[in-house]
Amino acid sequence: DAGVIQSPRHEVTEMGQEVTLRCKPISGHDYLFWYRQTMMRGLELLIYFNNNVPIDDSGMPEDRFSAKMPNASFSTLKIQPSEPRDSAVYFCASSSGTGSRRDTQYFGPGTRLTVL
Amino acid sequence: KQEVTQIPAALSVPEGENLVLNCSFTDSAIYNLQWFRQDPGKGLTSLLLIQSSQREQTSGRLNASLDKSSGRSTLYIAASQPGDSATYLCAVRPWGGADGLTFGKGTHLIIQP
Repeated sequence: DAGVIQSPRHEVTEMGQEVTLRCKPISGHDYLFWYRQTMMRGLELLIYFNNNVPIDDSGMPEDRFSAKMPNASFSTLKIQPSEPRDSAVYFCASSSGTGSRRDTQYFGPGTRLTVL
Repeated sequence: KQEVTQIPAALSVPEGENLVLNCSFTDSAIYNLQWFRQDPGKGLTSLLLIQSSQREQTSGRLNASLDKSSGRSTLYIAASQPGDSATYLCAVRPWGGADGLTFGKGTHLIIQP
């Protein structure tokens, strides 16, 4: 299995631009999570999906952030417009909702976002 | 709101030593606790997962314990090696159906050859 795939790995953009981060979960996993990691706040959950449906988006910082999961193999996290304080590493993770492996979340390599 | 604290924030020890990393959490109503390893520029790798009904889990040179009532977990690394150098993160999943994890800020571990 290729694991969780994220793209791009690095993104540098200017303030005000739209940024789209992409994630492909592990095949067969029905949970998908988006996390953000910063030095100040550590790793924080932004939103997660179950069977492509958003379950909890209470961690999304503001309306500039949106996430979609149009099918079981693809999710996007969009920031519009981007601001310098959005600079962070964004991780996608997936897990299976069945059996004993439900609770293990598998993380992608992350996207390092820099907003100038 | 659940808060997870990891002590120490950084640790440097000579190769071969046994060491203990600490994690504490404020709300004991957890479903499970998980220890992750993060290498620079990489994602997180799950090391051990302890369900709330369990006291410990072991994998190779790693042993994690959980004392839910006191809100504490420890990760014990035996006979440390330079390859163990990484940041170790503790995360808890709340009881009651929520699936997202609450993370500590991690312990940055350096094993000196």
